[in-house]
Amino acid sequence: GESVGLHLPTLSVQEGDNSIINCAYSNSASDYFIWYKQESGKGPQFIIDIRSNMDKRQGQRVTVLLNKTVKHLSLQIAATQPGDSAVYFCAENTGGFKTIFGAGTRLFVKA
Amino acid sequence: DAGVIQSPRHEVTEMGQEVTLRCKPISGHDYLFWYRQTMMRGLELLIYFNNNVPIDDSGMPEDRFSAKMPNASFSTLKIQPSEPRDSAVYFCASSLRGVVNNEQFFGPGTRLTVL
Repeated sequence: GESVGLHLPTLSVQEGDNSIINCAYSNSASDYFIWYKQESGKGPQFIIDIRSNMDKRQGQRVTVLLNKTVKHLSLQIAATQPGDSAVYFCAENTGGFKTIFGAGTRLFVKA
Repeated sequence: DAGVIQSPRHEVTEMGQEVTLRCKPISGHDYLFWYRQTMMRGLELLIYFNNNVPIDDSGMPEDRFSAKMPNASFSTLKIQPSEPRDSAVYFCASSLRGVVNNEQFFGPGTRLTVL
C-alpha cells in the first residue's frame, strides 16, 4: 500500500554540525514531496518541498534531496541550531492534495 | 493574517458525549484539511474540502465522525458518540492551490481527551 516511512526515529546532533534526516516512500506515482517541522505543542510547519522532476532543492540552511530510483528523500540542515530541535516529517502527494505523512524523526540538538 | 484558528485548544469529555471541533482557515484559501495525530498512528488525513465541498473522506474512521464546511471561513469536525480511542490531537490545515507548491498551513491543534 501507499506509505511513507522513516529510517531513524531519533537523531541527536551537536550544535553547529550538519543534520541529515532520511525518509523512504513506497508509491512510485508520488510526484510531490514536502518536509514539515513540528515543535512541541504546535502544528506542523512547512520547511521545503520538491517535485518529482527535480533531484535537489535548496532553501535557507536546508536542502532536500530526492532519489526516485530508490524512492528515498532526505533533508539536510546545515549548521544545526538549538531552534532546529523538533520532529520532522516527510510527506508525499500523488497528484492532488491527498497528503500522506511519514512517522516522523525527532531531532535533538546538543549545545 | 492570524493563520489557521482552531477551537477549543483542549477538550476533555466523557465517553458517549458529542464533541465538536472548530476551524477557521486562512482567508482566501480554497482547501481545508482535517488531520488526527496520535503516537501510535502518526498524522492521518481524515478529510479535505475544496471550495467548501468534501473531496476525499476516506480517512474518516467511522460513521461517528462527520465534517462540514458551511462556508469558506468555517469548518467543524464532530464526533458522536465519542470514545476513549478518539483521544488525539486534531489539526486543521488550509491551503491555496498554486502552481509552485501545495503548502498546507496548520492550526495549533485541538487536544481531545475522552475519558
